[in-house]
Amino acid sequence: NAGVTQTPKFQVLKTGQSMTLQCAQDMNHEYMSWYRQDPGMGLRLIHYSVGAGITDQGEVPNGYNVSRSTTEDFPLRLLSAAPSQTSVYFCASSYSFTGTFSTGELFFGEGSRLTVL
Amino acid sequence: GQQLNQSPQSMFIQEGEDVSMNCTSSSIFNTWLWYKQDPGEGPVLLIALYKAGELTSNGRLTAQFGITRKDSFLNISASIPSDVGIYFCAGGGTSYGKLTFGQGTILTVHP
Repeated sequence: NAGVTQTPKFQVLKTGQSMTLQCAQDMNHEYMSWYRQDPGMGLRLIHYSVGAGITDQGEVPNGYNVSRSTTEDFPLRLLSAAPSQTSVYFCASSYSFTGTFSTGELFFGEGSRLTVL
Repeated sequence: GQQLNQSPQSMFIQEGEDVSMNCTSSSIFNTWLWYKQDPGEGPVLLIALYKAGELTSNGRLTAQFGITRKDSFLNISASIPSDVGIYFCAGGGTSYGKLTFGQGTILTVHP
């Protein structure tokens, strides 16, 4: 059982380049999300999806796009990379994510470390 | 937006000591969760709390959901070297689809 799989694990970009971070889960989870982790700032939500065809913005969405065409996949696109986007990116999924939080557990991938020069 | 203040930022302890860390918020949450991140990996859920005043244990870990719903603490008893990592608190249940994470506590355990 693979869980949440992120690719690539490491990537170096030049300012202005675009790229896509891939995320796939095999647990049939409805909810998927992307976080970025920066020293001293914890995990900050970029975008999330509560089901195929539905996406919404998190705390720090600028410079990132997402789509959810299938239940399994939730790619994160950087349109024009900037040095401020140097970070470790985590994809996470969950069975459900209602307002009353019937299940609180997020399953995280191993992370993708991105450096923008 | 909602913010969580997690303290301490880092801790250096001897093996066998007890550890305590906490999170406070200016906003209320309906759920408090504690995650641990090992080096080079993603966070993993340790304990989830769903009710104000709730005290929950998971082995050597104990966590409480504050009565005001604005705070939570995590205790680790008799620390061991594999407790090393970053511990995150997270609050949820007030904004659909969103968890708010604290800044993390970096724990180092000396043998």
